[in-house]
Amino acid sequence: AQSVTQLDSQVPVFEEAPVELRCNYSSSVSVYLFWYVQYPNQGLQLLLKYLSGSTLVKGINGFEAEFNKSQTSFHLRKPSVHISDTAEYFCAVSDRDTGNQFYFGTGTSLTVIP
Amino acid sequence: NAGVTQTPKFQVLKTGQSMTLQCAQDMNHEYMSWYRQDPGMGLRLIHYSVGAGITDQGEVPNGYNVSRSTTEDFPLRLLSAAPSQTSVYFCASSYFGVIYFGEGSWLTVV
Repeated sequence: AQSVTQLDSQVPVFEEAPVELRCNYSSSVSVYLFWYVQYPNQGLQLLLKYLSGSTLVKGINGFEAEFNKSQTSFHLRKPSVHISDTAEYFCAVSDRDTGNQFYFGTGTSLTVIP
Repeated sequence: NAGVTQTPKFQVLKTGQSMTLQCAQDMNHEYMSWYRQDPGMGLRLIHYSVGAGITDQGEVPNGYNVSRSTTEDFPLRLLSAAPSQTSVYFCASSYFGVIYFGEGSWLTVV
């Protein structure tokens, strides 16, 4: 089974500053990679996904992530954050062979400070 | 498109009571799963199913039961609720790299 590590449980950042949320996964087998966002008291919303092709993936709300196979990482970045980006962010992985079973990280709480 | 529908959204139970969280999907996905979300622990897989009549345990199955009589429905049963089962529960269906979540069920056991 895969394991997903989100290295930072909480990330405070000032408004308009850049941010990087880190994610590493355990296996070098072919994987699909995802980032989800969860606003308070809501469900999970897909931010972006990597299935194949370009290793730089662009998602909604100005977020992007880069798949690095050699480092088994999929870090999420945004060049300039807004107050509305305050939320919990989850990295997730699924094996290409099955494509159906997802493994989630423990989440990173992003707080944007005015 | 309804996607994944789970009910109820909020529920308060007394210790020892039983209840069923309902989940239905209209996308004809074979794979369905139940997760619980707790602070600092992310989403943990409770049970999953790869098709009608087939279920299996995930990471935290104790105290929960599931069945899959049809492709559409995947209910989660709490057999005898305990305060440790206070959590947010998400049902999901997935198909080759895409997962669809229900809106979540906030369960409190007192």
